[in-house]
Amino acid sequence: DTAVSQTPKYLVTQMGNDKSIKCEQNLGHDTMYWYKQDSKKFLKIMFSYNNKELIINETVPNRFSPKSPDKAHLNLHINSLELGDSAVYFCASSQDGGNYGYTFGSGTRLTVV
Amino acid sequence: AQSVTQLDSQVPVFEEAPVELRCNYSSSVSVYLFWYVQYPNQGLQLLLKYLSGSTLVESINGFEAEFNKSQTSFHLRKPSVHISDTAEYFCAVSLSNTGKLIFGQGTTLQVKP
Repeated sequence: DTAVSQTPKYLVTQMGNDKSIKCEQNLGHDTMYWYKQDSKKFLKIMFSYNNKELIINETVPNRFSPKSPDKAHLNLHINSLELGDSAVYFCASSQDGGNYGYTFGSGTRLTVV
Repeated sequence: AQSVTQLDSQVPVFEEAPVELRCNYSSSVSVYLFWYVQYPNQGLQLLLKYLSGSTLVESINGFEAEFNKSQTSFHLRKPSVHISDTAEYFCAVSLSNTGKLIFGQGTTLQVKP
């Protein structure tokens, strides 16, 4: 059983489109995250939700909107996609506020053309 | 502000040779320390972590890391590497007061036959 699963694994879309990435965890964790990994493999946190409440909201364009319908799911919706949004997006989850480490999904490779 | 610096972007090494991947951090609050590994086209997997206690921590596949508070370092070592260790390695710190995970820039370990 996959602990943190993301869909889709690959996403190719045109500039200006709106797309969503879905994430689900079956670990019973209380906190979920979105990270962006750029072409140089640098990882940066975007958002974090704890029990459906937004707790971390880094400097991210407001075209990116996270939604957490319940503590096992955290989706990422992106409006008006731009070339610079091309990256790998990772979902992760943790227990106890993340002090003991995160469990990551396998990533969604987004390519904007 | 907290930060993590991985001193080497690429480390080429021959199979069965020892390796050290260097990591330094800066933080004004206490932190927890992690090493994650990312194999090609996969997500991040937790390799090992330091939370408290013994400053030397080990993973199940032969890696070890030592927390050095005075030098604010958490270097990763392996006495004899295998081809299968070829991957991207990320050092990360979790701030004890927020649980937010901050990553270094990553080190590409290239093991050659």
